[in-house]
Amino acid sequence: DTEVTQTPKHLVMGMTNKKSLKCEQHMGHRAMYWYKQKAKKPPELMFVYSYEKLSINESVPSRFSPECPNSSLLNLHLHALQPEDSALYLCASSHVAIEVTDTQYFGPGTRLTVL
Amino acid sequence: SQQGEEDPQALSIQEGENATMNCSYKTSINNLQWYRQNSGRGLVHLILIRSNEREKHSGRLRVTLDTSKKSSSLLITASRAADTASYFCGKKTSYDKVIFGPGTSLSVIP
Repeated sequence: DTEVTQTPKHLVMGMTNKKSLKCEQHMGHRAMYWYKQKAKKPPELMFVYSYEKLSINESVPSRFSPECPNSSLLNLHLHALQPEDSALYLCASSHVAIEVTDTQYFGPGTRLTVL
Repeated sequence: SQQGEEDPQALSIQEGENATMNCSYKTSINNLQWYRQNSGRGLVHLILIRSNEREKHSGRLRVTLDTSKKSSSLLITASRAADTASYFCGKKTSYDKVIFGPGTSLSVIP
């Protein structure tokens, strides 16, 4: 199984809502990532988890709160978002890089619209 | 700024032609990775080339790396309509971090 799944596929939320994005993989990967991608732009790294611990936070606003409850699951909790947070949110996973060479496997993404 | 810049930004070719995309970067790298993204979907890894390698092949894909010029190129031979997608180069920086360039949007016309 080389698949990363993400739910939901689409999400529309108001600025006062609280919602969560979910990501799951069963490839035995111990590194998991959240990226944000705006239209016609490259993905921008948000967070990296390594062995279920947050290892990189790219200065993301606190209205985005990641969580890695176990080695297969990655969540992104959303609260008080702004319309400019509307984007495609991509999850990825990989083996923890020892020689910094490992391939990342991406999920299909969640299309988020903030009204 | 983003590590890795691609050119051209957009490329339109006829089916059967070859497509070449270039990627430049600013600082030294351990490896450089090429990904494809179909519209609104996740990224698919194509090829990884290490800093001590000069060329790699995978099917109809050929990637070259010139570390003296800090540049890489992706060649797709005998293109097909299904190759229509955006192509990104990514520099693997520290431990588990890939920084993507702005990408090249490829259209292959049947």
